[in-house]
Amino acid sequence: KQEVTQIPAALSVPEGENLVLNCSFTDSAIYNLQWFRQDPGKGLTSLLLIQSSQREQTSGRLNASLDKSSGRSTLYIAASQPGDSATYLCAVKAAGNKLTFGGGTRVLVKP
Amino acid sequence: GAVVSQHPSRVICKSGTSVKIECRSLDFQATTMFWYRQFPKQSLMLMATSNEGSKATYEQGVEKDKFLINHASLTLSTLTVTSAHPEDSSFYICSARFGETQYFGPGTRLLVL
Repeated sequence: KQEVTQIPAALSVPEGENLVLNCSFTDSAIYNLQWFRQDPGKGLTSLLLIQSSQREQTSGRLNASLDKSSGRSTLYIAASQPGDSATYLCAVKAAGNKLTFGGGTRVLVKP
Repeated sequence: GAVVSQHPSRVICKSGTSVKIECRSLDFQATTMFWYRQFPKQSLMLMATSNEGSKATYEQGVEKDKFLINHASLTLSTLTVTSAHPEDSSFYICSARFGETQYFGPGTRLLVL
């Protein structure tokens, strides 16, 4: 059974620092991995999707890497801003076309 | 971009009543929709996969008679929580698949008193 873990569970940084969020998964037989952002009481916004054949994806200040063999992905957010405060979730898609989510990392960027 | 809506956004009901939550894909057709529930400060747990025109597939431990799912059209799936109890209070999120990507609704906050 696929298990997805995110460390740390919570992170607080001053504005301007780079954020590094980690995601690990137990079964490397995945189709893709996706990073989402969730604001309090809201739904999910997709940030980046990395196919299993890809090593990284970039969008603006966001960069996500994928090492499928070691079961890890890292989301980097450069030059953090208070507006980046949210919960970040990673999810992997494997057999059965189901997404398995990690527990999330709650990020607070202090001005 | 693809948009998924949910209605209502929040609902408060008395124990024993039934509550229906709607999930709509606004600008695309979705043959597959998913229902998740999320407890405070926890991640999303898949409840069921809903395929248009057929019965939903429920995850282990999810009572299909309690959580009724209907996917009658390519743009609408409904989740009905029957005989709701306080332990059913949660945040329910639907998702619709379009191609390789799942698009998520804004969620419905259910509080059962």
